[in-house]
Amino acid sequence: GAVVSQHPSWVICKSGTSVKIECRSLDFQATTMFWYRQFPKQSLMLMATSNEGSKATYEQGVEKDKFLINHASLTLSTLTVTSAHPEDSSFYICSARLTSFGYEQYFGPGTRLTVT
Amino acid sequence: GQNIDQPTEMTATEGAIVQINCTYQTSGFNGLFWYQQHAGEAPTFLSYNVLDGLEEKGRFSSFLSRSKGYSYLLLKELQMKDSASYLCAVRTYKYIFGTGTRLKVLA
Repeated sequence: GAVVSQHPSWVICKSGTSVKIECRSLDFQATTMFWYRQFPKQSLMLMATSNEGSKATYEQGVEKDKFLINHASLTLSTLTVTSAHPEDSSFYICSARLTSFGYEQYFGPGTRLTVT
Repeated sequence: GQNIDQPTEMTATEGAIVQINCTYQTSGFNGLFWYQQHAGEAPTFLSYNVLDGLEEKGRFSSFLSRSKGYSYLLLKELQMKDSASYLCAVRTYKYIFGTGTRLKVLA
């Protein structure tokens, strides 16, 4: 149980285009989903916290107009990287939490984004 | 500020025991997590401590001292497949991850 999927697993796009990444909780309803970014040999950096039906809360330094997050249902959150640039190339990982009071988060397999 | 420190790299021999330390200074504390992450993959949950003491799960144990802001992950009977990064994370109102410790297990 508690499986989280991400799609696509990898994507290459040209500079200036937008890319959408989907995060789905397959066998549970996730009230909260998190989006992380991980650069090579670095740790996970939280970008934003997404609660179903409300606006995402972005971490300091993360541009909300560039990284659009939509948590439209209890099983789906999307991250859209708008006007992507090579410096946005990274490993994007989502995670989902069962309830607002739960402590464990379940990670998706990640999406490797390369911007050329 | 929020700070979580771990050693960058460690090397150990197959069959041995290794201890990975984590020290933290955070605003608030709602538990400490250890995750294993293989290269190019997402982290997988290993353990969770919210009270002081030792939690044991098979070959893996995790210890927490809240007064010292200190935790360690103990891996016993090391196997080659244990070669991975180990991430310490503290939950405040959000999850804050340490930089991770890359463990190499040698035959």
